[in-house]
Amino acid sequence: QKEVEQDPGPLSVPEGAIVSLNCTYSNSAFQYFMWYRQYSRKGPELLMYTYSSGNKEDGRFTAQVDKSSKYISLFIRDSQPSDSATYLCAMSGYGGATNKLIFGTGTLLAVQP
Amino acid sequence: GAVVSQHPSRVICKSGTSVKIECRSLDFQATTMFWYRQFPKQSLMLMATSNEGSKATYEQGVEKDKFLINHASLTLSTLTVTSAHPEDSSFYICSARPPGQGNSPLHFGNGTRLTVT
Repeated sequence: QKEVEQDPGPLSVPEGAIVSLNCTYSNSAFQYFMWYRQYSRKGPELLMYTYSSGNKEDGRFTAQVDKSSKYISLFIRDSQPSDSATYLCAMSGYGGATNKLIFGTGTLLAVQP
Repeated sequence: GAVVSQHPSRVICKSGTSVKIECRSLDFQATTMFWYRQFPKQSLMLMATSNEGSKATYEQGVEKDKFLINHASLTLSTLTVTSAHPEDSSFYICSARPPGQGNSPLHFGNGTRLTVT
């Protein structure tokens, strides 16, 4: 079993739809949770960063963490064609400068105009 | 802030040659940088942790003699793919975080697409 599971998609939605992206994990030591967006042939770009359980909102993006279920989500409201990209969840436990991130496989999202 | 720059963005080389990829932290000093590899339609796989002034730490299954890492300064780490073969063709991405922020997210370079012919 992988430490982090993520549905690879592809996920296709019409413009304006609400998108829900999810990851599950098995390591209860994970405390920090991130969502990255990666456009084709580019490096990942940080979207959201949360610590422990709870919700965090930033513009059209909302990140949710449920540590009891080992489940995290990213919601995108009013999706736009420019949101079309691969979305990667990532997580880590406590640690110093060498703290590693563990990534999900990424979900490919296509927002149709 | 926290900008990571990577060079070159793409490189094509012949089988058997070596290729060097540079990763720089532009607005912060990084004692640690991370090198990832990404195959098409797959996630990022950590190859090694680059430590300034000391040896890199390689993940299981990554050949340290093939993927040479040098972290000679607080703003520069290099990855050299030695005696490259077509199976080394991949997308290589480096990352770093500002010092003293061990639990903060990593910031990534834009990656280097290596094609070995």
